[in-house]
Amino acid sequence: KAGVTQTPRYLIKTRGQQVTLSCSPISGHRSVSWYQQTPGQGLQFLFEYFSETQRNKGNFPGRFSGRQFSNSRSEMNVSTLELGDSALYLCASSLGTGLKEQYFGPGTRLTVT
Amino acid sequence: GENVEQHPSTLSVQEGDSAVIKCTYSDSASNYFPWYKQELGKRPQLIIDIRSNVGEKKDQRIAVTLNKTAKHFSLHITETQPEDSAVYFCAASMDSGGSNYKLTFGKGTLLTVNP
Repeated sequence: KAGVTQTPRYLIKTRGQQVTLSCSPISGHRSVSWYQQTPGQGLQFLFEYFSETQRNKGNFPGRFSGRQFSNSRSEMNVSTLELGDSALYLCASSLGTGLKEQYFGPGTRLTVT
Repeated sequence: GENVEQHPSTLSVQEGDSAVIKCTYSDSASNYFPWYKQELGKRPQLIIDIRSNVGEKKDQRIAVTLNKTAKHFSLHITETQPEDSAVYFCAASMDSGGSNYKLTFGKGTLLTVNP
């Protein structure tokens, strides 16, 4: 099976702009979770989607949002970018019921200047 | 919410020695504890996990132990090899009827295995 894929892999944006990141889960996986990874804060949970519904949300401002499509692909959007949003954004996919193993994608490295 | 503490932050061992990384969690409702290995510039990879109805789990040179009473769990790597060098993360999550996939991570341990 193909693994989790994320696009784009690298992104440079300017403060105030918005950005959309995409994640395609492993075939058959219905849950997609998003995490932010920074050297200072480590890996932090953003939100999780299952069957196009957000089931869990972390402690991030409303500028961070996401959605999931009927084919389980997910997107996350960050509006009004701030310098502190520079990070590696990782998505992880899981079957979504019962078993909880989550498998990560390669991440999108976002740099805000 | 859940809080996961991980120690040590860095660990250096000689090839062939054992390495132990420890984590504590705060929420007694947490019942799933995975460990991830992240090599430089790579994605985190799930290496082993344990559920709260199990006290120990082994997979070749890797083992994880869980003490629910003390709310701590540990990763043990035996006969370490240079390719074990990476950052290791512990995590915890709580099951709410099978619908909670929020992982709370420790800050990570940089393991260096010296040849």
